[in-house]
Amino acid sequence: LAKTTQPISMDSYEGQEVNITCSHNNIATNDYITWYQQFPSQGPRFIIQGYKTKVTNEVASLFIPADRKSSTLSLPRVSLSDTAVYYCLVGDPSNAGNNRKLIWGLGTSLAVNP
Amino acid sequence: SQTIHQWPATLVQPVGSPLSLECTVEGTSNPNLYWYRQAAGRGLQLLFYSVGIGQISSEVPQNLSASRPQDRQFILSSKKLLLSDSGFYLCAWSSSGYNEQFFGPGTRLTVL
Repeated sequence: LAKTTQPISMDSYEGQEVNITCSHNNIATNDYITWYQQFPSQGPRFIIQGYKTKVTNEVASLFIPADRKSSTLSLPRVSLSDTAVYYCLVGDPSNAGNNRKLIWGLGTSLAVNP
Repeated sequence: SQTIHQWPATLVQPVGSPLSLECTVEGTSNPNLYWYRQAAGRGLQLLFYSVGIGQISSEVPQNLSASRPQDRQFILSSKKLLLSDSGFYLCAWSSSGYNEQFFGPGTRLTVL
């Protein structure tokens, strides 16, 4: 199974930039890297997805090196409301296309302090 | 716009009782549908997914089953609940395997 490794927890302060790095050594060549955010007692919410290099949207940036064995989610100027669990996900290499399945780890619990 | 509904929001059931959780999606056609379970402090565990009516893939052998009687309806069932079935059950949909998944509000199940 595809597997991702990311820090269990991180601490930050309001206004800082937060970078969460994830390793995914056996990502399939045609697969994407996807990040989700989850608040307590809610379903996860999609943040960003990328295949290579850099992707940016209104809430985050995703940096992916050429070997694609890791990726970094960058959250600019975090606020208290960014306190959540962040999941880095890749697909199970044995299932591609429309049958793609995401493999969920424990995620990174980010605490933003005032 | 698309919306996803799950009910009930919370459920307390005795061991050995049956279970039926329902999920419906509005505003889209032929979605991929997923059932996940999340234990306290854990990541999501994929239980079932479906790419079409009557097409169910089971990920974890257990006492749960899923059905998709209509295009936008996904049902999770059990004939006899176990204590280990307690958890937060989430339904999700996506337009394809590579597109983002949209999650419902979840059902908190406690088996006593």
